[in-house]
Amino acid sequence: EDQVTQSPEALRLQEGESSSLNCSYTVSGLRGLFWYRQDPGKGPEFLFTLYSAGEEKEKERLKATLTKKESFLHITAPKPEDSATYLCANRVGGAQKLVFGQGTRLTINP
Amino acid sequence: DAGVTQSPTHLIKTRGQQVTLRCSPKSGHDTVSWYQQALGQGPQFIFQYYEEEERQRGNFPDRFSGHQFPNYSSELNVNALLLGDSALYLCASSLSGSEQFFGPGTRLTVL
Repeated sequence: EDQVTQSPEALRLQEGESSSLNCSYTVSGLRGLFWYRQDPGKGPEFLFTLYSAGEEKEKERLKATLTKKESFLHITAPKPEDSATYLCANRVGGAQKLVFGQGTRLTINP
Repeated sequence: DAGVTQSPTHLIKTRGQQVTLRCSPKSGHDTVSWYQQALGQGPQFIFQYYEEEERQRGNFPDRFSGHQFPNYSSELNVNALLLGDSALYLCASSLSGSEQFFGPGTRLTVL
């Protein structure tokens, strides 16, 4: 069964303290690994899509990387406004169904 | 560009009632997907509509049904509501094969 697991469930950092979030997946025929940011009570906001092992994408303080079994979201020198839940998902099958992990709740303290 | 819009924002229903949620996709998008997100969990795929047809369905009972209109907007209908249907319902739109963009969601509370 296709599964996406994120770790840790929650992470609390000080402002400026860099870290990484992990997303591991067991899926046959990956057709895209997606990262989203979700603020409380709002819909997920698209961040990145990765398609092949070794691919990297960056946006401001965030960088996403992909291996054959996992993806990392690296956050460099975070600020309080980076506090949110970060979701990863993979796309499976011939259609565009996304299978999500449970998310990592990130808190950046000033 | 208005992005994906959903209505209503919040909804309170009682058990056994029926509900209809609405979604307008991002301009230029032709595919709409619906997800259910329980508190503290990731979104769960309900179904996807393309060219007014249900293209793929997740593990949800037949009480959950949908529709896509010629202008690509979509509705999600849930019959015989249960307490466990309380969740944030998310609509996502995409252009076939591209990234999915989510709306703000509809918070459904079943009492």
